[in-house]
Amino acid sequence: QSVLTQPPSASGTPGQRVTISCSGSSFNIESNSVNWYQQLPGTAPKLLIYSSYKRPLGVPDRFSGSKSGTSASLAISGLQSGDEGDYYCAAWDDSLKGLVFGTGTKVTVL
Amino acid sequence: EVQLVESGGGLVHPGGSLRLSCAASGFSVTSHYMNWVRQAPGKGLEWVALLYSDGRALYVDSVKGRFTISRHNSQNTLFLEMNSLRPEDTAVYYCARDPTKGRPFYFGMDVWGQGTTVTVSS
Repeated sequence: QSVLTQPPSASGTPGQRVTISCSGSSFNIESNSVNWYQQLPGTAPKLLIYSSYKRPLGVPDRFSGSKSGTSASLAISGLQSGDEGDYYCAAWDDSLKGLVFGTGTKVTVL
Repeated sequence: EVQLVESGGGLVHPGGSLRLSCAASGFSVTSHYMNWVRQAPGKGLEWVALLYSDGRALYVDSVKGRFTISRHNSQNTLFLEMNSLRPEDTAVYYCARDPTKGRPFYFGMDVWGQGTTVTVSS
């Protein structure tokens, strides 16, 4: 049972902007950095956002992260068919003394 | 090239044991935090274990006392020893690097292997 809650699905047409929320608590999101991972079908997860809003080298600026209080968000602008897959937030939890992942959001490009 | 390659997965009976390996290239497992993350069929990601560069280890509650994370320095390989396996341990197991030098996961897990499949069934 995950302590970070995400909507199960999100969708948009090519070129649109999609936002995925991640809801946690004072033990995880509010007091620690949030990372986002992209998992395309049949592949290993890939780091998309770290330290709540920073992008690793090679990740397009179409992907952006934000955090406020006990919630975080991932925005995908200029949606492309290649963005279809699952997206997970993650944060250290001070109470559980471990990393917790979000429930995951499946992004579909209509 | 920085790379992680897992091996050792397979079919095991409930109560059995298995050792997973994760061979690293392009960097040293001793100078980074290293993790195991698993994904049950059709389910989300679950963090399993973390090995700090100083040798300390952390585990998710569901595997404490059953799983052990370790490394072989000269082979540059990370391991996950799994004992008393249960059907709910069935998953693809990924190893992943955390480049953080301080608080874990501040920079996320930036390098992942392709995964190895563990099936626990009678």
